[in-house]
Amino acid sequence: AQSVTQPDIHITVSEGASLELRCNYSYGATPYLFWYVQSPGQGLQLLLKYFSGDTLVQGIKGFEAEFKRSQSSFNLRKPSVHWSDAAEYFCAVALYSSASKIIFGSGTRLSIRP
Amino acid sequence: EAGVTQFPSHSVIEKGQTVTLRCDPISGHDNLYWYRRVMGKEIKFLLHFVKESKQDESGMPNNRFLAERTGGTYSTLKVQPAELEDSGVYFCASSFTRDNTDTQYFGPGTRLTVL
Repeated sequence: AQSVTQPDIHITVSEGASLELRCNYSYGATPYLFWYVQSPGQGLQLLLKYFSGDTLVQGIKGFEAEFKRSQSSFNLRKPSVHWSDAAEYFCAVALYSSASKIIFGSGTRLSIRP
Repeated sequence: EAGVTQFPSHSVIEKGQTVTLRCDPISGHDNLYWYRRVMGKEIKFLLHFVKESKQDESGMPNNRFLAERTGGTYSTLKVQPAELEDSGVYFCASSFTRDNTDTQYFGPGTRLTVL
């Protein structure tokens, strides 16, 4: 079945440590790929997106993600997390165009240890 | 530039009542989407408007849900009658059709609780 998988429900990392959030998708063609973040009490904010071209994409707040076609993955990384990064992170895809419906993963909740 | 706004931010109603959620997209955005997240589940697509027309309503759960976008500006999502399983957060998003690089911008959501 077509899906977006975020295998980690909850991750805790120390402030200043590096972060990698995993995301895999199972679709025949390369979809449009996104990472969104939802901070407590806030809406969904787009961190970054991949449509084509360079497989390493830079986003806001110091995040980056790498598209690996061979692994059907689009993992999110940050070299050094800040306490303000505590939030829920969603990997998502759009199948046909960036205007088509977005299919979300189940989310990964990130906690920061002081 | 104002972002996507949603009203109300919270709504608590009893089973069987009617609730209407409103979404104001970013000015000039022709695409408008509704999504929802019920407790413990993924964020799921409900429907997509292009201007005032329904482009894709494949995610609407049943005929208790009615979405409208009169005039191609703001949209309403009515739930009538509400059931317990309708509880969750309803998100609205909007985007501008350009050259296949449009991004969906999300609102803060409406938290609906059905008792």
